[in-house]
Amino acid sequence: EVQLVESGGGLVQPGGSLRLSCAASGFTFSSYWMSWARQAPGKGLEWVAIIKQDGRDKNYVDSVRGRFTISRDNAKNSLFLQMNSLRVEDTAVYYCVTGRGDYWGQGTLVSVSS
Amino acid sequence: DVVMTQSPLSLPVTLGQPASISCRSSQSLVYSDGNTYLNWLQQRPGQSPRRLIYKVSNRDSGVPDRFSGSGSGTDFTLKISRVEAEDVGVYYCMQGTHWPRTFGQGTKVEIK
Repeated sequence: EVQLVESGGGLVQPGGSLRLSCAASGFTFSSYWMSWARQAPGKGLEWVAIIKQDGRDKNYVDSVRGRFTISRDNAKNSLFLQMNSLRVEDTAVYYCVTGRGDYWGQGTLVSVSS
Repeated sequence: DVVMTQSPLSLPVTLGQPASISCRSSQSLVYSDGNTYLNWLQQRPGQSPRRLIYKVSNRDSGVPDRFSGSGSGTDFTLKISRVEAEDVGVYYCMQGTHWPRTFGQGTKVEIK
């Protein structure tokens, strides 16, 4: 059974940083593109960042480029999202997602507020 | 970015009756490998999204056969043949062809 377990969310002030983690199991992690997507409270879905199997190719949605960094550790079946210079509008549930949306984790809430 | 436009945004349905959701993309979703990466996701209240349909018309494992997807190019449809109580939630179309991946606004399905 595929499992994606996110952690690392919490309350942070504007301008602060957080690092999200996603522990993956039940599939060959190193064979999949992996992504982070987010959902602001009561709103729709937004794809945030994507990383290739070997970690060399990455891409970001314009609103986070230069502030967020996606990375992975295939030896530990883990995906990460380093979020710097956080803004109020980054407040959302962040989901770890496989491939082109095959599987979604349960999400971790990031709240940016003073 | 590719804009995904869903309609309707709210869909009250009587139990046992059919339902249909439309999704249109601002660009063709045919990828260079010949595949069309159009997914349908279901988000039940309080849950994370779950993929129901991939590549336009392929049902994921465990998805009831009352769900079906169709379409091509820029015009796609999700149909529920007979709505059940467990189908309540928000349905999103999502394109996996272009970067960034983008979603429709969501269609809220509720029971009348």
